[in-house]
Amino acid sequence: DILMTQSPDSLAVSLGERASINCKSSQSLFYSSNNKNYLAWYQQKPGQPPKLLIYWASTRESGVPDRFSGSGSGTDFTLTISSLQAEDVAVYYCQQYYHSPPYTFGQGTKLEI
Amino acid sequence: QLQLQESGPGLVKPSETLSLTCSVSGDSISSTNYYWGWIRQPPGKGLEWIGSIYYSGSTFYDPSLNSRVTISVDKPKNQFSLKLSSVTAADTAVYYCARQSGSSVHPYYIDVWGKGTKVTVSS
Repeated sequence: DILMTQSPDSLAVSLGERASINCKSSQSLFYSSNNKNYLAWYQQKPGQPPKLLIYWASTRESGVPDRFSGSGSGTDFTLTISSLQAEDVAVYYCQQYYHSPPYTFGQGTKLEI
Repeated sequence: QLQLQESGPGLVKPSETLSLTCSVSGDSISSTNYYWGWIRQPPGKGLEWIGSIYYSGSTFYDPSLNSRVTISVDKPKNQFSLKLSSVTAADTAVYYCARQSGSSVHPYYIDVWGKGTKVTVSS
């Protein structure tokens, strides 16, 4: 199985400041045949299902504010929130969907103000 | 607008089979380039992908659950289902059904989630 490790486990950021969450995979998620990284980011607020933010490591889902961005390739990825808003308080998960199952998630990063 | 709704018993006895159904509205379960899957979240913990199915019946399962899990599709009812056999307390979780983008041979990211249903395994 591909192990996904997020850092930090929790993060406190002031309103308007930048927040960065890292995700490291135990093997490369880059598929050279299509030049894509098989990684997604999700946001989960308390009592709600997760919501897709980013897929293919850097493609923002429709309707997601442009303060959210994804970067990285291979085994190291980052979710960045450029200017933290109060509504961004949530737990954030990365997930790999590279080839064979299981399509594992990171352990989650709790973002607070 | 696509909506997914889970249904099924909230309490299952140990060693029995957990059965859940997801009703899909706003899209056909026979749509190409989408898989239909299940993810669970134990209390206070992270997300665990269980498996997914293509409309053709092709399935992908977590190998650690493979011997206990079955996902099936009911096209006329536009529903899909999860069966997890021989459950223990470790299977207690919120179970989400979801749509997973993908190709005809491989699921990708999860783009739509149901609201989730809590299942407790207890005698």
